[in-house]
Amino acid sequence: GESVGLHLPTLSVQEGDNSIINCAYSNSASDYFIWYKQESGKGPQFIIDIRSNMDKRQGQRVTVLLNKTVKHLSLQIAATQPGDSAVYFCAEIGNQGGKLIFGQGTELSVKP
Amino acid sequence: NAGVMQNPRHLVRRRGQEARLRCSPMKGHSHVYWYRQLPEEGLKFMVYLQKENIIDESGMPKERFSAEFPKEGPSILRIQQVVRGDSAAYFCASSLEQGALKAFFGQGTRLTVV
Repeated sequence: GESVGLHLPTLSVQEGDNSIINCAYSNSASDYFIWYKQESGKGPQFIIDIRSNMDKRQGQRVTVLLNKTVKHLSLQIAATQPGDSAVYFCAEIGNQGGKLIFGQGTELSVKP
Repeated sequence: NAGVMQNPRHLVRRRGQEARLRCSPMKGHSHVYWYRQLPEEGLKFMVYLQKENIIDESGMPKERFSAEFPKEGPSILRIQQVVRGDSAAYFCASSLEQGALKAFFGQGTRLTVV
């Protein structure tokens, strides 16, 4: 079956350090992978996506890496700030393209 | 351009009552998705609707749950005879085109069943 999971449930980093959040997925047929940020009491907010034919994509302070060989996805946040504290979810687009399949989430805590 | 609007933000129901959750998609969006999030878990897909049609309801429980997206008005997720296990945050997302890639999420409705 399809599933997306995360390696670590919590991550604590010092302000200014880089953060790396990891994700494993099982459906090798997925075309897109997306990272979402969810702050307490709010809905998921799109951060960055990557298509399955890419290995790396960069945004503002964020980079997503995709390793299809081991079915692994990671989100790198440069110079982590207190405002980055949230739960981060990876998600994949299902085979039919109509739904997102979310992982469990990693809670990122940034210490000032 | 308002985002996806969900109401109520918080809903408390007694066991056996009905819960109605509303979702107004972004302007111009005709595709709506409902997800459920249990505490400390990720979001789980429930149903995907396009105006007046259910496209994919593979994540909907077989009983007590129903969803609609009428030609006019918001999408409604309806839960009949609620039980404690229905307590969760319910999120709606909408997109302009078919597919979840460009979907935007609302702030969710937090349902508590007492």
